[in-house]
Amino acid sequence: NAGVTQTPKFQVLKTGQSMTLQCAQDMNHEYMSWYRQDPGMGLRLIHYSVGAGITDQGEVPNGYNVSRSTTEDFPLRLLSAAPSQTSVYFCASSYAGLNSGNTIYFGEGSWLTVV
Amino acid sequence: RKEVEQDPGPFNVPEGATVAFNCTYSNSASQSFFWYRQDCRKEPKLLMSVYSSGNEDGRFTAQLNRASQYISLLIRDSKLSDSATYLCVVNGGGGSARQLTFGSGTQLTVLP
Repeated sequence: NAGVTQTPKFQVLKTGQSMTLQCAQDMNHEYMSWYRQDPGMGLRLIHYSVGAGITDQGEVPNGYNVSRSTTEDFPLRLLSAAPSQTSVYFCASSYAGLNSGNTIYFGEGSWLTVV
Repeated sequence: RKEVEQDPGPFNVPEGATVAFNCTYSNSASQSFFWYRQDCRKEPKLLMSVYSSGNEDGRFTAQLNRASQYISLLIRDSKLSDSATYLCVVNGGGGSARQLTFGSGTQLTVLP
């Protein structure tokens, strides 16, 4: 069972470069999301999607783009990397309606450093 | 005020000790509450949901106090393997996964 797979695990970028973090899930979940985790700040929602063709902004969307062409994939694009985007990124998926019976599954994380 | 607040710790306790974490939340309309566990350099994983009546899973007990807007996690007979960061997670009122708010976590180290 693959669950949520995200790549790459580690990446170093130069300021101004662009890149895409890949995320795929095989659980047929409607909901997918990207979070960033910074020291002392918890996970913050960047973008999310409640189904193929539907995306929306989270708490910290600036500097990032997403698309959801299929149920399985939800890539995150950094348009022009900045040092402030140095962080750990987690992709997650779940059924769209979240109650005590459902849960969010996270990918293993992508450690991104922008120099 | 943060939407979800946790004592960051660290909590350093000996093996076998009982330790409790509290978490407060600001949105009185919040409907669902969870504790997640995150090991160093790993992804968060669901530890347990928190029900209004309180719930227990082995050595772990979760409580919800809606009137005071806090949830708690009690770990009895701590094991070395319990060392991790514990994240309080609150669903802000709409029942949708997109409305989850994560606390910044409480770090626990269980010492031999």
